[in-house]
Amino acid sequence: EIVLTQSPGTLSLSPGERATLSCRASQSISSHYVAWYQQRPGQAPRLLIHGASSRATGIPDRFSGSGSGTDFTLTISRLEPEDFAVYYCQQYGNSFGQGTRLEIK
Amino acid sequence: QVQLVQSGAELKKPGSSVKVSCQASGGTLSSFAVSWVRQAPGQGLEWMGEVIPIFGTSNYAQKFQGRVSITADESTRTTYMELSSLRSEDTAMYYCARKEGLGVFDIWGQGTMVTVSS
Repeated sequence: EIVLTQSPGTLSLSPGERATLSCRASQSISSHYVAWYQQRPGQAPRLLIHGASSRATGIPDRFSGSGSGTDFTLTISRLEPEDFAVYYCQQYGNSFGQGTRLEIK
Repeated sequence: QVQLVQSGAELKKPGSSVKVSCQASGGTLSSFAVSWVRQAPGQGLEWMGEVIPIFGTSNYAQKFQGRVSITADESTRTTYMELSSLRSEDTAMYYCARKEGLGVFDIWGQGTMVTVSS
């Protein structure tokens, strides 16, 4: 079973700053099969990125994904107040990372 | 656009079972799979299993084998997740989600809180 490890556990930034979230897999996986989700407090997760770098429908272009092999990254170029949430990476089908909490500094 | 609407919160005794429903509105699920993902309070996401309604076939995470049953009723566009032998550690929010293509969850239900307490 492939284990996904996200870092940092918590990221404290201010609105307008750039956020970089990391997801590392225990073995190489195809970038076609990596997704990122956002979960705001009290809400269900929302798909942001699929295929490692493709934005889901309606997702603003300040969100971008990249990576290959074992290392994947979600970047938020300029943080908006509504972006402060928990982010999960996923290997398609089942396993999720443990999440990164993005909080206001 | 398809939406997934889940049944309401449940309070259960240890050792009992719970059955949570997830109905598709605004369309059908066609050949998509519907997965169930749970989230304990303050914790991450855990995939439990899935059903492909059009085929009626199910697949479960090893952790839940023998304790979970995920079924579908195509006539009502509803999928069900039943978890038995409940214990306090099963207290969690349970989500259904449509699995698109090879495994990305593109549509989620609103969640159903299941609390297991004596």
